[in-house]
Amino acid sequence: EIVLTQSPGTLSLSPGERATLSCRASQSISSSYLAWYQQKPGQAPRLLIYGASSRATDIPDRFSGSGSGTDFTLTISRLEPEDFAVYYCQQYGTSALISFGQGTRLEIK
Amino acid sequence: QVHLVESGGGVVQPGRSLRLSCAASGFTFSNYPMHWVRQAPGQGLEWVAVISFDGAIKLYADSVKGRFTISRDDSKKTLFLQMNSLKTEDTAVYYCARDPFIGAPDYLDYWGQGTLVTVSS
Repeated sequence: EIVLTQSPGTLSLSPGERATLSCRASQSISSSYLAWYQQKPGQAPRLLIYGASSRATDIPDRFSGSGSGTDFTLTISRLEPEDFAVYYCQQYGTSALISFGQGTRLEIK
Repeated sequence: QVHLVESGGGVVQPGRSLRLSCAASGFTFSNYPMHWVRQAPGQGLEWVAVISFDGAIKLYADSVKGRFTISRDDSKKTLFLQMNSLKTEDTAVYYCARDPFIGAPDYLDYWGQGTLVTVSS
């Protein structure tokens, strides 16, 4: 099983600031099969990034993903009020099926 | 547009059964693998099961293997999750989600709004 560890657990920032969220895998993820989701209270997760760096449909370009192997990053270049939420990474495309990180809560400072 | 609507959740006693449904619209349901993902109250996401586009392959998380069964009815554009021998730790919101590609499990591009299952005596 591939274990994904996200850090930090909680990130406190102000609107307009830059957010950097980390996701580390317990073993290398082939072909950068890593996705990021955003979840707001009472809502389903929404796909943001797939293939480590490709933005999903209608996702603003302030969201970007990077990384390979075991270390991946989600960056939000300039935080908008609607960006404060919980973010999850997910690995896929391996014999270990699907697994999610434990989440990073992005809160308003 | 893609729309997924789960139903069938509720309160059930430990050891009993429940069947969840997920009605799909806005896309050719029979072309896509489908997943169930759950989220315990205040917790993170846990993948539960996947079914291939043709129903031939079904894979499960170890935590539900032997107790849950995923199935699909393409004529009704509906995904199911039969949950037997329920445990208190199965309490969660259950989401159905679409997998955009045939093959190994992928990212999940569309999700339903979820249905809450509470297992309690």
